[in-house]
This record gives sequence, C-alpha cells and structure tokens, in this order.
Amino acid sequence: ETGVTQTPRHLVMGMTNKKSLKCEQHLGHNAMYWYKQSAKKPLELMFVYNFKEQTENNSVPSRFSPECPNSSHLFLHLHTLQPEDSALYLCASSQDASGSDTQYFGPGTRLTVL
Amino acid sequence: AQSVAQPEDQVNVAEGNPLTVKCTYSVSGNPYLFWYVQYPNRGLQFLLKYITGDNLVKGSYGFEAEFNKSQTSFHLKKPSALVSDSALYFCAVRDEGTGGFKTIFGAGTRLFVKA
Repeated sequence: ETGVTQTPRHLVMGMTNKKSLKCEQHLGHNAMYWYKQSAKKPLELMFVYNFKEQTENNSVPSRFSPECPNSSHLFLHLHTLQPEDSALYLCASSQDASGSDTQYFGPGTRLTVL
Repeated sequence: AQSVAQPEDQVNVAEGNPLTVKCTYSVSGNPYLFWYVQYPNRGLQFLLKYITGDNLVKGSYGFEAEFNKSQTSFHLKKPSALVSDSALYFCAVRDEGTGGFKTIFGAGTRLFVKA
C-alpha cells in the first residue's frame, strides 16, 4: 500500500450527525489533500494543506471543515451533511505542493448520508 | 483555463493485445502530466509522469505514455494487456495558478481486458 491510511473505511451518517474522517501519512510528506470522488464525475479537489497551512479551499461548503494539526495528520469534520454529499472521500499526500510532485492516495472513506 | 479530457468512458481490449487510453489537456504554461490507476475499493495509485525531457515516459507495470506537445496529448499505452490491468485510469495535469499548483483530473477511463 501507499503509506497513506484513512479511517473509517466506511461511514453511514444521518443529516444531523457530526462525524470526522481521519487521514495519516507515514511518508514524511509536507502537503496533504482532500478529494471527493462521486460516481460519473471527475475527482474534485476540496482542500490543500502545505506545511500545515491551508493553501486551497475549492469553494467547499462550510459543512465540511478540515483540520491539519501537523504534517502527518489531516481531518475532515462533517456536520449537517446532505444526501448529495455521499461519495468516496480520498486523502492524498505529496512531498510539497510543487508542480512535479507526485501525490500518494489513501484507500478512501466511503460516506453515505441518509 | 486548464483542463483534461479523457474522451473514452470505457476501453475494451483482449488479453495480449496492445492498449491505448487517450488523454488530451489544455494548460496555460508548461504541463506536468500524470497517469494514475484505481482498482476497486482502493485509492489512486501513481503510474507515471511527464515533467520534461524525453517524450516517451515509462512507468509501473509495463505502462508507458507519450507526450505530444503539438497535439496536446498524453496517451497511456501498454504493448500487451493483462486481465489484471482492468481498472479505472485517470489522467491528470498540474498547472500553476494564482494559489500555487493545482491538479486537475480527467473523468477517468474504465479499461476492461478480456481473457
């Protein structure tokens, strides 16, 4: 595997719940990313953190709240989600956020919002 | 604006035959181009990338891709397909914008290799 782990792998939640997704990378990288993968749609970049600082928020609704306490850990806090938020949420990391940088992905969290 | 197009939703190939998965791109500057593969219930795995230099890039599992600047293409190829190559393939481009580099992924092409 890639050295990027995500928990939980599956999550079912109601629209009024609050939950968090966790990502951890063991590669010594400095940049971390959240992506949303929905059926029949391209991967959507949500957030980018580089050296623990958020450098990208791709117009993501405020019901998604990221947190990056250090370069190895990234969280996505979820509250009052909608059914259309059901998707595979992928975390990735890279050495930094330069152009030639290769991203390494975790296995994803399959989220279902009822 | 930068973009990536994968014109085929699905490619079907017989085992042992050569395969091609197409990708075209549009960027404002010099492109950094990537191919990733996704197997069921897994994240994306890096296959290969073009940064600069030789237009033919060799990657993992016998895959290669050819950068063609005039046609703005970066097609993925393999001389002899295996059933285990069946997966979802994503082309991606990194381009520098005002906030730094962004990766834009294509919609993906599902490859089926039949025994």
